[in-house]
Amino acid sequence: DADVTQTPRNRITKTGKRIMLECSQTKGHDRMYWYRQDPGLGLRLIYYSFDVKDINKGEISDGYSVSRQAQAKFSLSLESAIPNQTALYFCATSDGRNGANVLTFGAGSRLTVL
Amino acid sequence: AQSVAQPEDQVNVAEGNPLTVKCTYSVSGNPYLFWYVQYPNRGLQFLLKYITGDNLVKGSYGFEAEFNKSQTSFHLKKPSALVSDSALYFCAVRVGGKLIFGQGTELSVKP
Repeated sequence: DADVTQTPRNRITKTGKRIMLECSQTKGHDRMYWYRQDPGLGLRLIYYSFDVKDINKGEISDGYSVSRQAQAKFSLSLESAIPNQTALYFCATSDGRNGANVLTFGAGSRLTVL
Repeated sequence: AQSVAQPEDQVNVAEGNPLTVKCTYSVSGNPYLFWYVQYPNRGLQFLLKYITGDNLVKGSYGFEAEFNKSQTSFHLKKPSALVSDSALYFCAVRVGGKLIFGQGTELSVKP
């Protein structure tokens, strides 16, 4: 089994629908992140959490919300999806006790908003 | 603003030739720098990092990177490219406990 699991892997939805992307990890890491990947723009940070009671906005948090249900689970929600939220979404984790902050990524969730 | 830039969208190399993928950064203080690789339909995989110490860092799959403080660069290198090295490469810098990524460079290695 993968260390960082994202579900669903692919999702097609319509404008205005609420969507949740889920992430779970078996690494035992305390820190979790959601990134969005768009061609030519690299990865942009949406939200991040350094522990269960900590939630922080990244550079592009508008239109998104998150929930850290447990140390191992971090979900991303799109309250009312719009077409420019069509992208590849990645969850990542890291160990805050390790100053290097190496990220472990999930395989990605491809979201298409029609 | 603290940032990282990859000036080349694409790099083309013949198999067996050396390759370089460029990265420059702008951060205050001493940088923590990283390289990740993304193969098609996969998540990003960690290649190597620079925290402190020797300016030449060795990583996975025969890759290495050279930290140059005066030029604020952290270029990824490999002495002899393989077709299987073809992928998307990302440079990243740590800012406030989180990573900021460059826009990515597509590496294409032809036989």
